[in-house]
Amino acid sequence: DTEVTQTPKHLVMGMTNKKSLKCEQHMGHRAMYWYKQKAKKPPELMFVYSYEKLSINESVPSRFSPECPNSSLLNLHLHALQPEDSALYLCASSGPRGQGEKLFFGSGTQLSVL
Amino acid sequence: DQQVKQNSPSLSVQEGRISILNCDYTNSMFDYFLWYKKYPAEGPTFLISISSIKDKNEDGRFTVFLNKSAKHLSLHIVPSQPGDSAVYFCAASFNTNAGKSTFGDGTTLTVKP
Repeated sequence: DTEVTQTPKHLVMGMTNKKSLKCEQHMGHRAMYWYKQKAKKPPELMFVYSYEKLSINESVPSRFSPECPNSSLLNLHLHALQPEDSALYLCASSGPRGQGEKLFFGSGTQLSVL
Repeated sequence: DQQVKQNSPSLSVQEGRISILNCDYTNSMFDYFLWYKKYPAEGPTFLISISSIKDKNEDGRFTVFLNKSAKHLSLHIVPSQPGDSAVYFCAASFNTNAGKSTFGDGTTLTVKP
């Protein structure tokens, strides 16, 4: 199983809503990531979890709250988002050091904030 | 300051011909380079990579060339197929740490039948 599964595929939310994005992988990867991608732009790193602990937060606003309940799951909790937060949110994972040179991406959640 | 640049936003080639996608980087500390391919409504998928200790890596129809002195890499696809039509992202990292990858803006490749 070399898949990273993300749900939902599409999400429309208002600025006062609370929603969560979910990501799951069963490759035994201990590093998991959230990326944000705007149209015709490269993926931008938001958060990195290493061994279920947050290791990198790329100065992301607090309206985005990541959570790693266990080594296979990664969530991104959304609250009070702005229309400019509309984007494709990608989850990714990578293997251990020495094998961790490439990212395995999910298909993403296309988020629209109204 | 964009450390990884793909200066051609788009490229169109005929089926069967060679596609050459280019990437330039500014940070000489990068030691691992990757190409990802992305179809619409999907996440990027890993295509091919090269370590800075090599100047060429080949995998089937795909070959990546690295010119460290010029801080330039290129992806060659031979022969190009319509199914290769996608956005191609170049990425660079330190110490093969995927989490430190810096991506270029991408090149949209269209292969015409």
